[in-house]
Amino acid sequence: GAVVSQHPSRVICKSGTSVKIECRSLDFQATTMFWYRQFPKQSLMLMATSNEGSKATYEQGVEKDKFLINHASLTLSTLTVTSAHPEDSSFYICSARVALAGGYSTDTQYFGPGTRLTVL
Amino acid sequence: QKEVEQNSGPLSVPEGAIASLNCTYSDRGSQSFFWYRQYSGKSPELIMFIYSNGDKEDGRFTAQLNKASQYVSLLIRDSQPSDSATYLCAVNIDRGSTLGRLYFGRGTQLTVWP
Repeated sequence: GAVVSQHPSRVICKSGTSVKIECRSLDFQATTMFWYRQFPKQSLMLMATSNEGSKATYEQGVEKDKFLINHASLTLSTLTVTSAHPEDSSFYICSARVALAGGYSTDTQYFGPGTRLTVL
Repeated sequence: QKEVEQNSGPLSVPEGAIASLNCTYSDRGSQSFFWYRQYSGKSPELIMFIYSNGDKEDGRFTAQLNKASQYVSLLIRDSQPSDSATYLCAVNIDRGSTLGRLYFGRGTQLTVWP
């Protein structure tokens, strides 16, 4: 249980293009999903918190107009990197919290397999 | 500023030994703590979580929490070469709210040699 998928797993694009990354919870409903970015040899840096049906909450220093997040349903959140540049090349990982009965969620986050973005 | 500190290592232990991984955190009000394992090029996978002071055991893994010292550790007994990975400590920074954001340390690289 608690499987999270991401698509695509790897993407290479030209500078200036936009890239959409999908995050899906496959066997559970996720009221909250999180988007992280990880540079080589660095830890996971939280970019934003995505709640179903509402606007995402971005961490300080993350440009909300550049990293568009949509949480369309309890099983799907998307991250769009707009006008990507080489410095946006990174490993993007989503995670999801399990929604329990009564509207509560556990603290535990389950991670997707990640998307490696390379911007040329 | 909320910080999670880990010794980046590398920590190297022989097969069968106990590996001890440590983590300190700055926010005294933090309530829940997580250990994740990350293999190179992969995303983190949950090992275990701990909420209460003391020890929590799950198979070969034992998490230890000391809130007074703001310290959480992970012990791996009977270490195997397959345990070689980066171990990430994470702390829930949203006490009292439902956001559930995690703050990660930089990770400790563990190598278990045969």
